[in-house]
Amino acid sequence: EDQVTQSPEALRLQEGESSSLNCSYTVSGLRGLFWYRQDPGKGPEFLFTLYSAGEEKEKERLKATLTKKESFLHITAPKPEDSATYLCAVRSGGGADGLTFGKGTHLIIQP
Amino acid sequence: DGGITQSPKYLFRKEGQNVTLSCEQNLNHDAMYWYRQDPGQGLRLIYYSQIVNDFQKGDIAEGYSVSREKKESFPLTVTSAQKNPTAFYLCASTKGDYGYTFGSGTRLTVV
Repeated sequence: EDQVTQSPEALRLQEGESSSLNCSYTVSGLRGLFWYRQDPGKGPEFLFTLYSAGEEKEKERLKATLTKKESFLHITAPKPEDSATYLCAVRSGGGADGLTFGKGTHLIIQP
Repeated sequence: DGGITQSPKYLFRKEGQNVTLSCEQNLNHDAMYWYRQDPGQGLRLIYYSQIVNDFQKGDIAEGYSVSREKKESFPLTVTSAQKNPTAFYLCASTKGDYGYTFGSGTRLTVV
């Protein structure tokens, strides 16, 4: 059974204070690891897909990295508008189709 | 612009009543999915469909039903058999191994 664990559950940072969110996973044949941003009352917004260990992707202040067991979402010099819940999900090559999600990290950036 | 449209945004259900949530996409995506989101939990897969006239149960299909008569549409019915239907429902679609696109969600409340 595929599993995704995100840590920490919640994180409060000062504006400009860089940090990282963790996503640990176990999956039978990784077809992709996905990062999403979700604002309250809205659907998840796609950020990145990573397919193989060693891969990295960047978008503005965000950088996602992938190893064989975990992924990190690095946030550099965050701004208050980066406040959101960040979701990690995996898609496996076995079993049912669809993504398996972690519970998310609720990030608050204080001005 | 292409995207996924979910309606209604808010829905209220009386005890013993069936309700149907709409999901329409104009992205020409083959696969469509329904997820349920509860506070403090990750998104959980209800049903998915990879082609027209075919669909499979996800992890929590009991008390729900779907149909896929057109490529663009994947409605979800919450039946009276679903004992705890209050939740945020999200529809998603994808093509191949790319990132899933989500709709803006429907919040269902039992009254």
